Amino acid sequence: GEDVEQSLFLSVREGDSSVINCTYTDSSSTYLYWYKQEPGAGLQLLTYIFSNMDMKQDQRLTVLLNKKDKHLSLRIADTQTGDSAIYFCAVSGTYKYIFGTGTRLKVLA
Amino acid sequence: DTGVSQDPRHKITKRGQNVTFRCDPISEHNRLYWYRQTLGQGPEFLTYFQNEAQLEKSRLLSDRFSAERPKGSFSTLEIQRTEQGDSAMYLCASTGEGTDTQYFGPGTRLTVL
Repeated sequence: GEDVEQSLFLSVREGDSSVINCTYTDSSSTYLYWYKQEPGAGLQLLTYIFSNMDMKQDQRLTVLLNKKDKHLSLRIADTQTGDSAIYFCAVSGTYKYIFGTGTRLKVLA
Repeated sequence: DTGVSQDPRHKITKRGQNVTFRCDPISEHNRLYWYRQTLGQGPEFLTYFQNEAQLEKSRLLSDRFSAERPKGSFSTLEIQRTEQGDSAMYLCASTGEGTDTQYFGPGTRLTVL
């Protein structure tokens, strides 16, 4: 079945760049997403990339997609303490998303 | 447009009780999804509606679970005879016509004692 994997933790210093990685198995996904979840809250859509794109930039966020290796990454430039949260990548199936287990980003002041 | 809303935000119940959650999608979104998220995991798909029709149910949705979307607008998710293993965050999402992007509500956190 479809599988999405992420590393569990990432710790960076305020002002540095963060790179969160995701690998997936289903190559038929049309869109790939990044969501942010703060404690006790729902999922906030951050950005997404269409499967025929290699890169998408949106202010401090850069998404890179390597379809050959089925690898997706999210780079956050100038990481701030407010970016501390859990980040989920999700791949779109026929009617549902398949989510990774999430990467907990901790930003050190 | 206020986004997807869910009610209640928190529910504590005793094992064996029935609970019902409500989701109000973004207006005019015709597709509505329910997911379950347990601690330390990503959300897992439960069920999906297009308008009032329930088109898909996950094997996670045992016969104690039922979901409805009677008028194609809000949806309810009922869990009968709750078990401690049902403790989780229940998330609702909606999508509009011609798009794949799902917008999530704040979730209902269920604790079964």
